[in-house]
Amino acid sequence: NAGVTQTPKFQVLKTGQSMTLQCAQDMNHNSMYWYRQDPGMGLRLIYYSASEGTTDKGEVPNGYNVSRLNKREFSLRLESAAPSQTSVYFCASRRQGDQPQHFGDGTRLSIL
Amino acid sequence: SQQGEEDPQALSIQEGENATMNCSYKTSINNLQWYRQNSGRGLVHLILIRSNEREKHSGRLRVTLDTSKKSSSLLITASRAADTASYFCATDPERGSTLGRLYFGRGTQLTVWP
Repeated sequence: NAGVTQTPKFQVLKTGQSMTLQCAQDMNHNSMYWYRQDPGMGLRLIYYSASEGTTDKGEVPNGYNVSRLNKREFSLRLESAAPSQTSVYFCASRRQGDQPQHFGDGTRLSIL
Repeated sequence: SQQGEEDPQALSIQEGENATMNCSYKTSINNLQWYRQNSGRGLVHLILIRSNEREKHSGRLRVTLDTSKKSSSLLITASRAADTASYFCATDPERGSTLGRLYFGRGTQLTVWP
């Protein structure tokens, strides 16, 4: 049982390049979330998907897009990377109701 | 901001001592959750306390919630070096919502010395 799997684990991009961060969960969870974690800032929600087929903006959505490909997979896309998007990105999932979120180990992204 | 705020930002103790971390928040909540993050890893859920609960225990962890003061505390008893990690509180402010969005604080870095 892998839980939440994120790929890649590390990535270096140049300003203006695009890339997609992948996330998959094998727990049959309904909701999925993308966060970014910056030093001294805690985790901030970028986008979330309350259920398959729906996506909504979180606190810091600018510069990102998401796709809920199916119940298992939720991808985050940077169309034109900027140095301000250098961060650690975490994907999480949750079953429903008053249940905790389960996190992947993160993608460490550096944009030069 | 709906974020919780942890206090202190950093805490350094010896093995065997108790560690207490506090969290304050601004809005009404559905529940409050505590997570741990080891260096270079994702967050791991520790405990969830609902707005109608005042105290919960899980092993060496004790969480209290005071909704009148909009505050929570996490107590780790008899700390071990393996407890060294960052600890985050997260609030779920949306009563009756199915969205499950959480608002995280900036965390407390706990260091437990052998």
